[in-house]
Amino acid sequence: QVQLVESGGDVVQAGGSLRLSCAASGFPFSSYALNWLRQVPGEGLEWVAFISSDGSLEHYADSVKGRFTISRDNSKNTLSLQMDSLRPEDAALYYCTRVRDAHGTNIIFDYWGQGILVTVSS
Amino acid sequence: EVVLTQSPATLSLSPGERATLSCRASQSVSKFLAWYQQKPGQTPRLLIYDASNRATGIPARFSGSGSGTDFTLTISNLEPEDFAVYYCQQRMIWPPITFGQGTRLEIK
Repeated sequence: QVQLVESGGDVVQAGGSLRLSCAASGFPFSSYALNWLRQVPGEGLEWVAFISSDGSLEHYADSVKGRFTISRDNSKNTLSLQMDSLRPEDAALYYCTRVRDAHGTNIIFDYWGQGILVTVSS
Repeated sequence: EVVLTQSPATLSLSPGERATLSCRASQSVSKFLAWYQQKPGQTPRLLIYDASNRATGIPARFSGSGSGTDFTLTISNLEPEDFAVYYCQQRMIWPPITFGQGTRLEIK
């Protein structure tokens, strides 16, 4: 079955950096676009970043553009999010998600990881 | 950026009743709207995509309708496990992908 397992969450000081990873299994990883989303506990969902199946196309929310970088390693079935210049408002539960349709950019999130917590101290 | 506004913020109903949740977009998103359910402590789950298509394994009591700017999620004959927070999400005009703020469906 499809599994997405995030790791790398931690407590970091404002201005610091953190790298999240997502290990995927149970589907042809290189065929699916992936995304990072985040959610402050008790609040709503926010899309953070998108990467196409082959890694050639990236998109970011304005709130993270220039500070976060999404990447993937299709040989290792791994998605990453490099987060630099972290701010207190970046503190959230970060989800790795898969889009529903292979080889497409139809952004429908059909599988989600359990999430990993990022805490930013000011 | 497409702003999605969900109403009501909280809906209080009893098991067996029908729930009607609304999502309004600030501009047309055609049919490209999805609904997700999130229970406390759990990951969001895809319910409906492209306005009216149920995702795999979603019971028939969940239905979606609408197009353009006005969308509805209907849950008929509420079951105890249906009480949760529901989010709508558009994919017509992106980036950014945007979500509504959520509707909390609570037991009356």
